[in-house]
Parts: sequence; C-alpha cells; structure tokens
Amino acid sequence: RKEVEQDPGPFNVPEGATVAFNCTYSNSASQSFFWYRQDCRKEPKLLMSVYSSGNEDGRFTAQLNRASQYISLLIRDSKLSDSATYLCVVGPGSARQLTFGSGTQLTVLP
Amino acid sequence: NAGVMQNPRHLVRRRGQEARLRCSPMKGHSHVYWYRQLPEEGLKFMVYLQKENIIDESGMPKERFSAEFPKEGPSILRIQQVVRGDSAAYFCASSPGGYLTEAFFGQGTRLTVV
Repeated sequence: RKEVEQDPGPFNVPEGATVAFNCTYSNSASQSFFWYRQDCRKEPKLLMSVYSSGNEDGRFTAQLNRASQYISLLIRDSKLSDSATYLCVVGPGSARQLTFGSGTQLTVLP
Repeated sequence: NAGVMQNPRHLVRRRGQEARLRCSPMKGHSHVYWYRQLPEEGLKFMVYLQKENIIDESGMPKERFSAEFPKEGPSILRIQQVVRGDSAAYFCASSPGGYLTEAFFGQGTRLTVV
C-alpha cells in the first residue's frame, strides 16, 4: 500500500463547477498535512496547509479526518486557471520527511 | 528574500558522464530535500539533509547517487556514470523545520542523458 494515495484522475470539469479531491495516508503518526499544486513541467507550489479543524482560503477548503486518515480538498467555482495537478503531502512518511502523493490531475474546461 | 535556487535549469550529459546538481535553500532554511520526477510520474523522495548531515537517504539509489549539504555553500546532488534512465526533473525543496513545516521548491533541474 502506498503511504499517500490519491485518485490520479483526470478530473475534467466545466468552469464554475465544484470539485473535490481525496487523499488517504497510512502513517497514523503523521502530524503535518498540505496540499500543493503543480503546473505542467513546473515546481510544486504550496496551496494550503491542512489543520485538524479544517480551513478555508477563498474558493478552497481543506479538511482532515485523523480517525480515517483522510484529507480532502474542495474547489468551488472552478476557474480555467485551476487546471493543474494537485498533490497531497503528509509529514512524516515512513521516515522523517514529507511524503508526496502521486497527484490528481484537474482540467477545467471552458 | 530569494527563493530556493537550483542550477543548472537544464543539463545534458552523455551516458557515463557525471551530473552535479546544485541547490541553495531559502535564507534561514536548514533542511533540504531532493525529489526526482520521471516523465508523467509523481514526485519521488530521494534524500533529506540538514547542514553537514544526511538525515534520511532511503529514496536514493544504492549506487552512483550521492548528496551533500556542506556547512558553507549549496546542497549538491551528484550522479556518477549517468544512464538514460536518470533523465528526469530533479527538484530541491527547503524548509525551516523539517516535516512539520511546509517546504518550498526550486524550479528544478531537468537532466537529459543522451
């Protein structure tokens, strides 16, 4: 089983749609959780940290369920510019480092 | 405050040559991670370093690959006797506090082995 698992997609949604991504992690001792986005052939960039109480940043909402070892990202009112690969990141992984999921590809269609 | 700086951005090597990839972390960051991304694949952890120490190298291939983060200067990822399968994007990230804090990435070095 992978340490961090994501649905690879691709998710193709129309502009204005709401889309949700899920991520599960295997290490119950994990303490830090993040969502990154990666545009084609560019470096990953931090989108938001994920807190136990859940957090929202504009159109983006992240939630954490420690009991189920599950993280989610909700994007409302999708924009064309949201098209990217979204990476779920958990720390630590099996060793003392940040572990990245393989990513979920999103394409927002006009 | 400059971000994470990687150089070169693009590197072409012939099979059997050595590749040296450099990473200067953000100011104030003492934790450096190296990741490799093969075409159409996700990021794969290679090594985690702090100044003068390798904390975790569980993702490093056993042969030909080495990394260092000296007291002065950038972190170096060194690949000896490169093969075609080493062609990938190599990303460096730095953080101020290890796995408890977010990491910031450099723009990557794209290595092509011909």
